[in-house]
Amino acid sequence: QQQVKQSPQSLIVQKGGIPIINCAYENTAFDYFPWYQQFPGKGPALLIAIRPDVSEKKEGRFTISFNKSAKQFSLHIMDSQPGDSATYFCAASQDRGSTLGRLYFGRGTQLTVWP
Amino acid sequence: NAGVTQTPKFRILKIGQSMTLQCTQDMNHNYMYWYRQDPGMGLKLIYYSVGAGITDKGEVPNGYNVSRSTTEDFPLRLELAAPSQTSVYFCASSYSDSNPLHFGNGTRLTVT
Repeated sequence: QQQVKQSPQSLIVQKGGIPIINCAYENTAFDYFPWYQQFPGKGPALLIAIRPDVSEKKEGRFTISFNKSAKQFSLHIMDSQPGDSATYFCAASQDRGSTLGRLYFGRGTQLTVWP
Repeated sequence: NAGVTQTPKFRILKIGQSMTLQCTQDMNHNYMYWYRQDPGMGLKLIYYSVGAGITDKGEVPNGYNVSRSTTEDFPLRLELAAPSQTSVYFCASSYSDSNPLHFGNGTRLTVT
């Protein structure tokens, strides 16, 4: 059973567009929600992460929106560039009784940004 | 620094064979992890370690074994390879529980 559900599976936008990737979870014990970016032939790399005590976090062109009551979070990429073309994974983990690195990943979204 | 290094990059195994996937990190990280990535399925945790001599099961540990005799190395052992173990395997490390994971570039394993 997939602990974190991610959509869409693939996304195509024009340069400058704002792709949005959505994730949902059921386990209310989750308290750490990172997003990872993966390029072909490489391992995932942490992009941005959020804790449930805030509803939004921005780092450069990347923003996480978090809705604790709906158990949903999303990634927005402002002014998207062809270099942002990659696969994006949302994930979740819990602090208490576990380790934050024990991540449950979504299935991934393949983003293509056309020039 | 090399970061997290995984060897080999590619490997083809026959059903029933055994092999060890190597992972080493030079960042003095205490926490190390093994994930597998199947197409369209995201990554799933196999085993992890919070320090030398300490290992624990993740989400999908069956068919695998690990050991952690040093801080730097965290090998993953497949004893009787099965086609279901065809996957890309990623090793990751972090300095502490609250630090981000640093992933290696993966080992692509095919079992036929």
